[in-house]
Amino acid sequence: AQSVAQPEDQVNVAEGNPLTVKCTYSVSGNPYLFWYVQYPNRGLQFLLKYITGDNLVKGSYGFEAEFNKSQTSFHLKKPSALVSDSALYFCAVRDGGTNAGKSTFGDGTTLTVKP
Amino acid sequence: KAGVTQTPRYLIKTRGQQVTLSCSPISGHRSVSWYQQTPGQGLQFLFEYFSETQRNKGNFPGRFSGRQFSNSRSEMNVSTLELGDSALYLCASSLGEGLTEAFFGQGTRLTVV
Repeated sequence: AQSVAQPEDQVNVAEGNPLTVKCTYSVSGNPYLFWYVQYPNRGLQFLLKYITGDNLVKGSYGFEAEFNKSQTSFHLKKPSALVSDSALYFCAVRDGGTNAGKSTFGDGTTLTVKP
Repeated sequence: KAGVTQTPRYLIKTRGQQVTLSCSPISGHRSVSWYQQTPGQGLQFLFEYFSETQRNKGNFPGRFSGRQFSNSRSEMNVSTLELGDSALYLCASSLGEGLTEAFFGQGTRLTVV
């Protein structure tokens, strides 16, 4: 079985400050990891993914994420937050060792960036 | 190119009725997945289709079913609706299985009264 945990329901940061949204995962095979963002009344938008290679992955809108195998984490980061980054963020995992069509999502973290 | 299109955007149904939701994936995408999103349960995987075959299924009762057509368009059906089926149903398409990221539609908001 695969699972994802986003330990924080809510993250609040001031505009211009760095932000981190945490994600840990559990999977039996090789982890394929994804971050998505959801704005109100919209579907999810893909931000970035880790499949293999460099542990630091860069994605859309200045976001990046660091894969840490020993800590089974894939935290989302941005050096300088914008008010427009305020949204709901989901981490997702797929098991690369099996039929990988099923993604398991975390419960989501609401990011609020205040001016 | 056009994104993932889900129809209808909003639906209101009565308990006991059935409903069919439609999803048109991005052109060229062969994999379609369905998710149920509710405030209490988050995003729950329903099923995934690839080339007209159901490849994965989540832990939902048999009232939830789906299919995919030869043009990759997909439908999901919920029979004997219950109040707890009220949710945002999201469809996601991707090029294939595994490595590729998913592109989500805006969802169908189903309200069961």
